[in-house]
Amino acid sequence: RKEVEQDPGPFNVPEGATVAFNCTYSNSASQSFFWYRQDCRKEPKLLMSVYSSGNEDGRFTAQLNRASQYISLLIRDSKLSDSATYLCVVLFQAGTALIFGKGTTLSVSS
Amino acid sequence: GAVVSQHPSWVICKSGTSVKIECRSLDFQATTMFWYRQFPKQSLMLMATSNEGSKATYEQGVEKDKFLINHASLTLSTLTVTSAHPEDSSFYICSARKFVAGTYNEQFFGPGTRLTVL
Repeated sequence: RKEVEQDPGPFNVPEGATVAFNCTYSNSASQSFFWYRQDCRKEPKLLMSVYSSGNEDGRFTAQLNRASQYISLLIRDSKLSDSATYLCVVLFQAGTALIFGKGTTLSVSS
Repeated sequence: GAVVSQHPSWVICKSGTSVKIECRSLDFQATTMFWYRQFPKQSLMLMATSNEGSKATYEQGVEKDKFLINHASLTLSTLTVTSAHPEDSSFYICSARKFVAGTYNEQFFGPGTRLTVL
């Protein structure tokens, strides 16, 4: 059973579209949750943390449902520069390593 | 900010040779560093957790005698791929955790090292 699972993708959307990514995690005791972005052949970069109350950063909105062990990321008004792989990341326990999902690839076209 | 560097950024070697990858935290001390490996179209898979001054903890399925990790100082960890084979070709990424008391200790990632074994 995989620890962090994501939508398989890829997602191909036009500029201006709204796109949503989903993720589930297996360890109910997990403490912290994040979305990372990874560009081709680059290291992952933190996009945003995810809180139970939901949080928004510009065009990006993240949601966490602890009961369902479900995390989501919504991107509104997609830009060409949003094209990347989005990684769902979970920290099971303080002091341990981040655990990554396989990632969902987004391609935004003009 | 917190910067983590890796060297080399890419390496091509012959099968059977050993390759050393360095991971440095440039502007902070990292008591813990992590080594990940990423194959094409796959996720980052944790290989091992490296604590300064002690032996690394390896994830299940990762051979500790093949992937030697040394974390001799608070700013440097090295990963040596011994007797590399083509199946070891991958993107190796390190990360360092910046400890700040009372807060979440963010992991900062190095730029990665792309290893190709011929």
